[in-house]
Amino acid sequence: AQSVAQPEDQVNVAEGNPLTVKCTYSVSGNPYLFWYVQYPNRGLQFLLKYITGDNLVKGSYGFEAEFNKSQTSFHLKKPSALVSDSALYFCAVRGRSGAGSYQLTFGKGTKLSVIP
Amino acid sequence: EAGVTQFPSHSVIEKGQTVTLRCDPISGHDNLYWYRRVMGKEIKFLLHFVKESKQDESGMPNNRFLAERTGGTYSTLKVQPAELEDSGVYFCASSVGQVFSGNTIYFGEGSWLTVV
Repeated sequence: AQSVAQPEDQVNVAEGNPLTVKCTYSVSGNPYLFWYVQYPNRGLQFLLKYITGDNLVKGSYGFEAEFNKSQTSFHLKKPSALVSDSALYFCAVRGRSGAGSYQLTFGKGTKLSVIP
Repeated sequence: EAGVTQFPSHSVIEKGQTVTLRCDPISGHDNLYWYRRVMGKEIKFLLHFVKESKQDESGMPNNRFLAERTGGTYSTLKVQPAELEDSGVYFCASSVGQVFSGNTIYFGEGSWLTVV
């Protein structure tokens, strides 16, 4: 069965510093990987995805993620953090449901706090 | 273009009562999904509709949960009778194509359910 690990429950970073939110995965076949963000009292917003091609994927709000097949990782990055980036970040992978169809499997989420 | 809309945004009900959550997908999206996140845990897949048909309901916790999608448009998720462990955020999502092909699924803001 597929799985997603977000090893850090919380990440604190100073405003203006680079940020990284970590994600590792386990899945059969080619991985399709996604990042979503949940701002306080809001729903999940799509940030970016990796399907194939360039290992560095650029997404919304200046975020990017690097796919590393050998390390089975898909870490989310941003060169300069903003206070408004403070939110809950979820990594997801395409995987099989209990009935065998392809659905998203999510990690537990990482809370990012950007300190002014 | 309107996003995925969910109603109610918050609901507090007593154990044993019934709650019905509604979801309006993005116009033109044949695929509609329900996911759930209970406190501090992963976001879990519940069910997937393609138009009005249930493609996969393997994530539904038990027979107290009933989902419908009338005419392939909006969807409802009924919990009857509600139990304490049903508390959480219920996310609806929609997509043009399926996760199998790497399509992005777009989430609503969630319906926050508290059973007391």
